[in-house]
Amino acid sequence: NAGVTQTPKFRVLKTGQSMTLLCAQDMNHEYMYWYRQDPGMGLRLIHYSVGEGTTAKGEVPDGYNVSRLKKQNFLLGLESAAPSQTSVYFCASTTNRAGAFFGQGTRLTVV
Amino acid sequence: GDSVTQMEGPVTLSEEAFLTINCTYTATGYPSLFWYVQYPGEGLQLLLKATKADDKGSNKGFEATYRKETTSFHLEKGSVQVSDSAVYFCALSNTGTASKLTFGTGTRLQVTL
Repeated sequence: NAGVTQTPKFRVLKTGQSMTLLCAQDMNHEYMYWYRQDPGMGLRLIHYSVGEGTTAKGEVPDGYNVSRLKKQNFLLGLESAAPSQTSVYFCASTTNRAGAFFGQGTRLTVV
Repeated sequence: GDSVTQMEGPVTLSEEAFLTINCTYTATGYPSLFWYVQYPGEGLQLLLKATKADDKGSNKGFEATYRKETTSFHLEKGSVQVSDSAVYFCALSNTGTASKLTFGTGTRLQVTL
């Protein structure tokens, strides 16, 4: 039972490069989320999805795009990476307010 | 909007000491409340939850009671172990918000022998 799986686990990008973070869940959850974690700031919501084919902006969406083409997958894209996007990114999923399941995180450094 | 405030760390305790990590929230309506734990290099794991006033969530010796009158959800453990060293996050999820979580900034706990 894999739960929520994120790839890659680590990545270093140069400023201006693009990349896609992949999130997959095998629990048939409707809701999926992307958060970023920065020191002293807790976790902040970037984008989320309430179902296949739907996405919505969270608290800090600028510079990111997302897609939910399949129910089990939620992709986070950075079109032109900036040093301010250096962070640890977490994907999560849930079906209701029972609490979310989190992936192991992706540590991204933009130089 | 919704917000969560938790005590700043780090909190350093000796093994077998009593733990309290304070958490208060601001939210309209009737949010669900959670504590998550993050061990070094790992993702967040749900530790316990409470969905309505006066509910007590408990797991692995940790407890927290949903106090609507004081808008609080303090985390307690009677006797901590070295293996409890981690970062603890208080969070809430409100009705009509697609189960989105609003987090506190986290409290680092260090338990020593």
